[in-house]
Amino acid sequence: DTGVSQNPRHKITKRGQNVTFRCDPISEHNRLYWYRQTLGQGPEFLTYFQNEAQLEKSRLLSDRFSAERPKGSFSTLEIQRTEQGDSAMYLCASSLRGENTGELFFGEGSRLTVL
Amino acid sequence: DAKTTQPNSMESNEEEPVHLPCNHSTISGTDYIHWYRQLPSQGPEYVIHGLTSNVNNRMASLAIAEDRKSSTLILHRATLRDAAVYYCILRDVRGSNYKLTFGKGTLLTVNP
Repeated sequence: DTGVSQNPRHKITKRGQNVTFRCDPISEHNRLYWYRQTLGQGPEFLTYFQNEAQLEKSRLLSDRFSAERPKGSFSTLEIQRTEQGDSAMYLCASSLRGENTGELFFGEGSRLTVL
Repeated sequence: DAKTTQPNSMESNEEEPVHLPCNHSTISGTDYIHWYRQLPSQGPEYVIHGLTSNVNNRMASLAIAEDRKSSTLILHRATLRDAAVYYCILRDVRGSNYKLTFGKGTLLTVNP
């Protein structure tokens, strides 16, 4: 499978714990995005990388959230001191700069439940 | 990003055509119209996009009004696998990061 891969697919944690999600984009894609989706809502943009540089962060990304893409390949999204309001699906997407449609390819997401 | 308006939900019957409307009265000249869909328990997937002319691909057709203030996604023969949330999104071609801003979309139910 050469699509966007996200791990873990499901994570249940207790409030106050830290969690980390990993995203492996399509190999030649230099753009990577993180989104968050709650029930009944469309995905909300969190942050964007071009190669290893984090170029945009939403104000939704509080200081408990940190995202990295150290070598311009895979990315991690860490949530510290989780709160119940962090329960959501976290989606990763990648795209290729310069590609005509600018199509974003999404992974299947990582579902977080904070108890 | 310019705003789009879609019905919350629509229903169709299997093997019949489906027309999903989208209003975008504040669209600018540099906004492309993109459609994505999200099947249950999956991430969104690209369906089609266009600027001014109608577009066809293997998944769907996109009909764009002459004044570009509205568009319609056409599924020619709906199948049960087309049941999904469909998002109409405007994206400025001048944007440097190709970020997509999703609304709530239209939940399409397909009846057997």
